[in-house]
Amino acid sequence: SQQGEEDPQALSIQEGENATMNCSYKTSINNLQWYRQNSGRGLVHLILIRSNEREKHSGRLRVTLDTSKKSSSLLITASRAADTASYFCATQNSGNTPLVFGKGTRLSVIA
Amino acid sequence: KAGVTQTPRYLIKTRGQQVTLSCSPISGHRSVSWYQQTPGQGLQFLFEYFSETQRNKGNFPGRFSGRQFSNSRSEMNVSTLELGDSALYLCASSSPGGLRINEQFFGPGTRLTVL
Repeated sequence: SQQGEEDPQALSIQEGENATMNCSYKTSINNLQWYRQNSGRGLVHLILIRSNEREKHSGRLRVTLDTSKKSSSLLITASRAADTASYFCATQNSGNTPLVFGKGTRLSVIA
Repeated sequence: KAGVTQTPRYLIKTRGQQVTLSCSPISGHRSVSWYQQTPGQGLQFLFEYFSETQRNKGNFPGRFSGRQFSNSRSEMNVSTLELGDSALYLCASSSPGGLRINEQFFGPGTRLTVL
């Protein structure tokens, strides 16, 4: 069953614009992770944020976590055509439990 | 380090047959997880193996099974294939410790088509 639900399901923006994707989840978590998937290939880990953290940055990526609202957002700044992919959030309830993925946001960046 | 490898990359089978997929994790990783990805259900967890033992199991029928060998390589088997088993099967490995302990490293997947 899906724990995370991403919003929007699809997003289309121009190169150079910022892209924001949201993820909501249902139960308490140990950490939340964001992954990228290019066209039917394997997933690539982008960033992990722990339940006691509120914000993390990695290059052009910024992730926030609001545990009171059970939600997270992924911001990609100054997007590029190469950022075109599907983005998934995944939650982990505790250290050794499986990741539970949302259905993803399909991002299209138009050059 | 070499990444996670999966073989074969593509597979076509017919209903009722069985299939075995293979996954070689990153060297030093002892945890291997399997996921099924379909357009309708998204990414669903199948099972996880750690040090040759199944540590977690998802909600799939008994036709789906797996194992892990002493070198951490893992196989999953699907018996009596059904049309609905057509999917991208992804394998992921993770490190036993360190800063990236909870991060999963995914292979390219095996695309299974059941006719």
